[in-house]
Amino acid sequence: GDSVTQTEGQVALSEEDFLTIHCNYSASGYPALFWYVQYPGEGPQFLFRASRDKEKGSSRGFEATYNKETTSFHLQKASVQESDSAVYYCALGQGGSAKLIFGEGTKLTVSS
Amino acid sequence: EAAVTQSPRNKVTVTGGNVTLSCRQTNSHNYMYWYRQDTGHGLRLIHYSYGAGNLQIGDVPDGYKATRTTQEDFFLLLELASPSQTSLYFCASSDGWGGAEDTQYFGPGTRLLVL
Repeated sequence: GDSVTQTEGQVALSEEDFLTIHCNYSASGYPALFWYVQYPGEGPQFLFRASRDKEKGSSRGFEATYNKETTSFHLQKASVQESDSAVYYCALGQGGSAKLIFGEGTKLTVSS
Repeated sequence: EAAVTQSPRNKVTVTGGNVTLSCRQTNSHNYMYWYRQDTGHGLRLIHYSYGAGNLQIGDVPDGYKATRTTQEDFFLLLELASPSQTSLYFCASSDGWGGAEDTQYFGPGTRLLVL
């Protein structure tokens, strides 16, 4: 079945560091790919999505590019802030299904 | 933005107990979902629904029932709670018609402890 793999369970950075969180997927066709962010004590919230090969999604300084060849959708941010500390989830949606398949999540901790 | 509320926010019960978790969304979304969140597993789908009276089986349904009574209200039922069901439960709704690009909006979660 379809699946999403996030390589890093935890990432620890300092403010102004460059962030990469890796997301790889396994699915047929062209699924929609999402990033969600979950702040402490809250539910996950939509960050952005991409639906086609080479499409870039972005929001709040975060971005990711849909790569069909490498089946990846890696999250990046040029300069993280302490307020970015959260859990980030990569997710996949397939046409014809109302379900999202989530990765295990990556906890980002940014220290000042 | 969609408003999804959950109650209670915290619940403690004993093994074999009967628990109902409630979810309400106020934006007339068609789809509603119940997830559980556990360390090492991320978010896992229990049940979902595309409208009042409808129920779809998710990926981890064992031990759970659910009922969608209205467009707004979706309930998760644990009739014989077990310690393995100790978890953080999230309800969500989505603004589409079941397509791959639908955005899901999550509630604040209910933390359930089964002793």
